[in-house]
Amino acid sequence: QVTLRESGPALVKPTQTLTLTCTFSGFSLSTSGMCVSWIRQPPGKALEWLARIDWDDDKYYSTSLKTRLTISKDTSKNQVVLTMTNMDPVDTATYYCARIPYGDYWYFDLWGRGTLVTVSS
Amino acid sequence: SYELTQPPSVSVSPGQTARITCSGDALPKQYAYWYQQKPGQAPVLVIYKDSERPSGIPERFSGSSSGTTVTLTISGVQAEDEADYYCQSADSSGTSNVVFGGGTKLTVL
Repeated sequence: QVTLRESGPALVKPTQTLTLTCTFSGFSLSTSGMCVSWIRQPPGKALEWLARIDWDDDKYYSTSLKTRLTISKDTSKNQVVLTMTNMDPVDTATYYCARIPYGDYWYFDLWGRGTLVTVSS
Repeated sequence: SYELTQPPSVSVSPGQTARITCSGDALPKQYAYWYQQKPGQAPVLVIYKDSERPSGIPERFSGSSSGTTVTLTISGVQAEDEADYYCQSADSSGTSNVVFGGGTKLTVL
């Protein structure tokens, strides 16, 4: 059974750096073609893709947020970490990690439950 | 920046057919994907590569593509299908610009 779970702080202050961890099971990020992405959703708004990391450590970022994002993986721990710098109240959202089963196709077949991050002083 | 356009809302009675459209200039060249999201839950993939249905998704969900518009069709709508539906694709470069539509609220009357 494949599962993904997001973890991180529920509250961050403006200008701080957010670090989120996606811990997954049921698949390996060392398997050819496997990828993990981060997606966020502000309250009551649409989904927004943030970043992706591949089995071969290739990385991709949203063009609008790439200067603030870093994605990394620890294959031995089955974890993917996302950092976002200079947090602002507009970054308040539920952050999801999701699996991309075949790197040639940019879609997300399984998602974590998400973690709500509020940015407030 | 590239955008996918969906109607904000669609309403149907139980047993009827719901059609949710998604328009984007790059759709003739890029696959579209559809997700269902119920309140307080994570999205669930219901259609991939325009018209493929993942295992476990009911047959009443189908997808189609024509030019710059893709359509999610739900035949014989049930009350449990009431949810937000999002289309997703990429711009014509194919990478680093994944885009979601604004979402469509499906109401089952």
